Amino acid sequence: AQSVAQPEDQVNVAEGNPLTVKCTYSVSGNPYLFWYVQYPNRGLQFLLKYITGDNLVKGSYGFEAEFNKSQTSFHLKKPSALVSDSALYFCAVRELPPGYKLSFGAGTTVTVRA
Amino acid sequence: DAGVIQSPRHEVTEMGQEVTLRCKPISGHNSLFWYRQTMMRGLELLIYFNNNVPIDDSGMPEDRFSAKMPNASFSTLKIQPSEPRDSAVYFCASSSGGRVYEQYFGPGTRLTVT
Repeated sequence: AQSVAQPEDQVNVAEGNPLTVKCTYSVSGNPYLFWYVQYPNRGLQFLLKYITGDNLVKGSYGFEAEFNKSQTSFHLKKPSALVSDSALYFCAVRELPPGYKLSFGAGTTVTVRA
Repeated sequence: DAGVIQSPRHEVTEMGQEVTLRCKPISGHNSLFWYRQTMMRGLELLIYFNNNVPIDDSGMPEDRFSAKMPNASFSTLKIQPSEPRDSAVYFCASSSGGRVYEQYFGPGTRLTVT
């Protein structure tokens, strides 16, 4: 079964510093990986995805993620964090086609201090 | 596009009452997903539909939960009878399938069962 793990419950960074949110995956076959963000009292918002191609994927709000097959990781990164990036971040993996299910990690709470 | 629409946004009910949550997916999307989010269990997939047909309901907690999708633009999640442990935020998401794999989430319904 496809699964992801987010090893950190919380990440704290100062505004302007680089932000990294970690995700590792376990899949059979080629992975379909996603990052979502959830702001308080809101639904999840899609940030970016890796399906195939370049290992560095660029997404919304200046975020990017690096797919590393040898380390089975898909870490989310932002070069310079903003206070407004404070939110809950979820990594997810989709089951192999023709399936549609996403399996989500437990989430990582990011706090960016001014 | 208005995005995924859910109603009501908040529902407070007494134990034993019937609760119906509603979802309107993004127009043109042919897959619909119902999730439940709690602090204890995180984000759980309850059921998903493809072309209005239930594909996987293995996440539905028990027979008190039922979901329908009578047409491409409407779905309901019903809990009868409701119990305090059903208190959670329920999200609906939709996806267009094909090579667009990401899901788009609604704002959620916060259910409180007293």
